[in-house]
Amino acid sequence: DGGITQSPKYLFRKEGQNVTLSCEQNLNHDAMYWYRQDPGQGLRLIYYSQIVNDFQKGDIAEGYSVSREKKESFPLTVTSAQKNPTAFYLCASRSSPGLAGVSGELFFGEGSRLTVL
Amino acid sequence: AQSVTQLDSQVPVFEEAPVELRCNYSSSVSVYLFWYVQYPNQGLQLLLKYLSGSTLVKGINGFEAEFNKSQTSFHLRKPSVHISDTAEYFCAVSPYSSASKIIFGSGTRLSIRP
Repeated sequence: DGGITQSPKYLFRKEGQNVTLSCEQNLNHDAMYWYRQDPGQGLRLIYYSQIVNDFQKGDIAEGYSVSREKKESFPLTVTSAQKNPTAFYLCASRSSPGLAGVSGELFFGEGSRLTVL
Repeated sequence: AQSVTQLDSQVPVFEEAPVELRCNYSSSVSVYLFWYVQYPNQGLQLLLKYLSGSTLVKGINGFEAEFNKSQTSFHLRKPSVHISDTAEYFCAVSPYSSASKIIFGSGTRLSIRP
């Protein structure tokens, strides 16, 4: 079945460590996104990519980095510079809404919960 | 720029009662509109979407929403809720002019009492 796979589902990190969250999609979507979710704050955009080898900062990119070397993959690294990394991270993808018959909604993975000890 | 306001952070209702979750948006350009549902510790799933045409949109699980351009609203409704509807609901907008961003509201937690 087509979808988005995030791993790991749960991750614990010590302060000062970098961690990388994996996101893979087999939907043949061009655009991919990373969101951070904190209680009562909804979803905040970290980074997004509309095409391979290109990505843009979202609203809260500080302390995070991404790469887009393949269409299917968009890993997120949470660096030691991120001051409060404990959160639920969601990866999503979408087709371009400009294409005929494409609605442009986001498809989400199951999320990765990162806890800093 | 666009923004989305979900007026209620929490909505408690009794089982089999009707419910309305409110969503208002602000945008200087035309937008697509979406409602998503999130069950605990899971990703978001699309409930319904408005792209164009009829302003009353029907979605999954018996939910529907009405687009009101003059009031810039897209409220979600269900005539009779079930325990299984307990979840968080997010309204979102995506501008026609930019394929890159979808803006989410802060969410409404729907809790169903037996």
